[in-house]
Amino acid sequence: GESVGLHLPTLSVQEGDNSIINCAYSNSASDYFIWYKQESGKGPQFIIDIRSNMDKRQGQRVTVLLNKTVKHLSLQIAATQPGDSAVYFCAERNEGNNFNKFYFGSGTKLNVKP
Amino acid sequence: DTEVTQTPKHLVMGMTNKKSLKCEQHMGHRAMYWYKQKAKKPPELMFVYSYEKLSINESVPSRFSPECPNSSLLNLHLHALQPEDSALYLCASSQDNYGYTFGSGTRLTVV
Repeated sequence: GESVGLHLPTLSVQEGDNSIINCAYSNSASDYFIWYKQESGKGPQFIIDIRSNMDKRQGQRVTVLLNKTVKHLSLQIAATQPGDSAVYFCAERNEGNNFNKFYFGSGTKLNVKP
Repeated sequence: DTEVTQTPKHLVMGMTNKKSLKCEQHMGHRAMYWYKQKAKKPPELMFVYSYEKLSINESVPSRFSPECPNSSLLNLHLHALQPEDSALYLCASSQDNYGYTFGSGTRLTVV
């Protein structure tokens, strides 16, 4: 299968600081990426996505950066809040599969300290 | 309605039982999915339905049997499960091959 991994399994930040969660992917043919947030006992929640023809995309307090040269994806959260505490997954799609099939990374747990 | 609804939220079943998980969406999405997620692990794809037809089976054991009665409903029939099948089972849907909307999952315990 595909390999989507994360550099840091756990990240602790102070409330109000910015957070950066990283993700490495192995398939250079992957054309679409999503970041998901999963709180305890809940399903993954869509945060932001980016297509491979873009380098950066911004949402509300979140920014996703894509570096296709080194196959790296990052999620930046501005002014991190306690409610941001969760596990974050990146997911990639390889359109060569011809199906809407995503591979998930191993996840990073974000702890926000008040 | 922008939600995927899964029932039940919790299920405990014996190894000889037959049970079903249900998933429903009314967003007009034409692709629906079952994922299995063990504790502290990412979701793992089990099945994909596209336009009510099974398009992907990720080599899932036959004790898991999916069914898509119509474009809004997705079931997962369970029979003769093992304790190691205990997990969070997630349903998702998507449209136009971009993005997934996940349900909150069914927490399954096999005893």
